Amino acid sequence: GQNIDQPTEMTATEGAIVQINCTYQTSGFNGLFWYQQHAGEAPTFLSYNVLDGLEEKGRFSSFLSRSKGYSYLLLKELQMKDSASYLCAVVDSNYQLIWGAGTKLIIKP
Amino acid sequence: ETGVTQTPRHLVMGMTNKKSLKCEQHLGHNAMYWYKQSAKKPLELMFVYNFKEQTENNSVPSRFSPECPNSSHLFLHLHTLQPEDSALYLCASSQDPAGGYEQYFGPGTRLTVT
Repeated sequence: GQNIDQPTEMTATEGAIVQINCTYQTSGFNGLFWYQQHAGEAPTFLSYNVLDGLEEKGRFSSFLSRSKGYSYLLLKELQMKDSASYLCAVVDSNYQLIWGAGTKLIIKP
Repeated sequence: ETGVTQTPRHLVMGMTNKKSLKCEQHLGHNAMYWYKQSAKKPLELMFVYNFKEQTENNSVPSRFSPECPNSSHLFLHLHTLQPEDSALYLCASSQDPAGGYEQYFGPGTRLTVT
């Protein structure tokens, strides 16, 4: 079957750096998304990786290793507003999106 | 109004009621989706529409009935629901239904079945 694994919950301190991991086993691979979802709000797009390597976008970076079935989202200079759930989703060989259950990130002052 | 809107934001219904959820996208996208989001579970794709034609129906019980009158509007008609159907129902749209396109989500309808 197809599977996306992410930690259920993480805690970090304001101003610090946190890395949220995502591992996947899917039938084929055509890209990986990261979305952010604040409580009670819609998920919003953060990043899309289809090639190996690191993509940097301001305080957020996303890394992909296709050979390892692994991605991470790196958040720097954490702010209280970064408290949210972070969803990993993989595009499989049929171009279907397979979603992880999300990682709830708690930022403490 | 911009983006993807959903109404109502909250809905409480009994198991014998009939209600409808509405979604509207103002992005000119061709594909629209219904998802179910339950606590600590992955997003469950329910239905996909491409140019107002249904292309996916992921074994969703018949008590959920989608309707897509045009590429901007999507409805989810609900009847004789079960308590386990209580969840957040998210609508999304994208340029194309192929998974490699970013999806834009509405704020969701929080449904409680009593």
